[in-house]
Amino acid sequence: DGGITQSPKYLFRKEGQNVTLSCEQNLNHDAMYWYRQDPGQGLRLIYYSQIVNDFQKGDIAEGYSVSREKKESFPLTVTSAQKNPTAFYLCASTLRGKDGYTFGSGTRLTVV
Amino acid sequence: AQKVTQAQTEISVVEKEDVTLDCVYETRDTTYYLFWYKQPPSGELVFLIRRNSFDEQNEISGRYSWNFQKSTSSFNFTITASQVVDSAVYFCALSEAYDYKLSFGAGTTVTVRA
Repeated sequence: DGGITQSPKYLFRKEGQNVTLSCEQNLNHDAMYWYRQDPGQGLRLIYYSQIVNDFQKGDIAEGYSVSREKKESFPLTVTSAQKNPTAFYLCASTLRGKDGYTFGSGTRLTVV
Repeated sequence: AQKVTQAQTEISVVEKEDVTLDCVYETRDTTYYLFWYKQPPSGELVFLIRRNSFDEQNEISGRYSWNFQKSTSSFNFTITASQVVDSAVYFCALSEAYDYKLSFGAGTTVTVRA
């Protein structure tokens, strides 16, 4: 079945480390997105990509980086510059927006 | 820039009461899409409905109904005869046709007590 796979489900990071969250889709969707959700808050857009080898900053891109080398994959790196990375991260994809968005099951990142 | 406002942070009701969640949006685009998602405690987002800007028909799906009014830029969601299983966070979202960027409201936490 087609869908989005996010891994790992839980991730622990030490202060000062970079970590990479994986997002893979087999839906042949062109656009992919990363969102961050803090407890009791909404989803904020970190980065998005509409085509391979191109991506744009969202509302809270500082301290994060992405790449889009393949259509199926949109990994998110949380760098040491992100001062408060503990959050729930959701990846999404869409073919053309109007067709709807598919979300992964999320990665819960905790800084220890 | 597009913006979605869900003014209600939390709503608590007793089972079988009706619940209406408000959503107001801002956009400069004439073609856009509105969504409602449910987020249970597990964290996954469950798609509920999609509506495009040219379709102002209200929709009913079981106990769920949606009222889309372009004149007031609102897309409200009603749960009729609420049940405990309806307890979740509900998000309203907007995407514009030119870039497909999906923007969310802050969400409304609905608690249904038995």
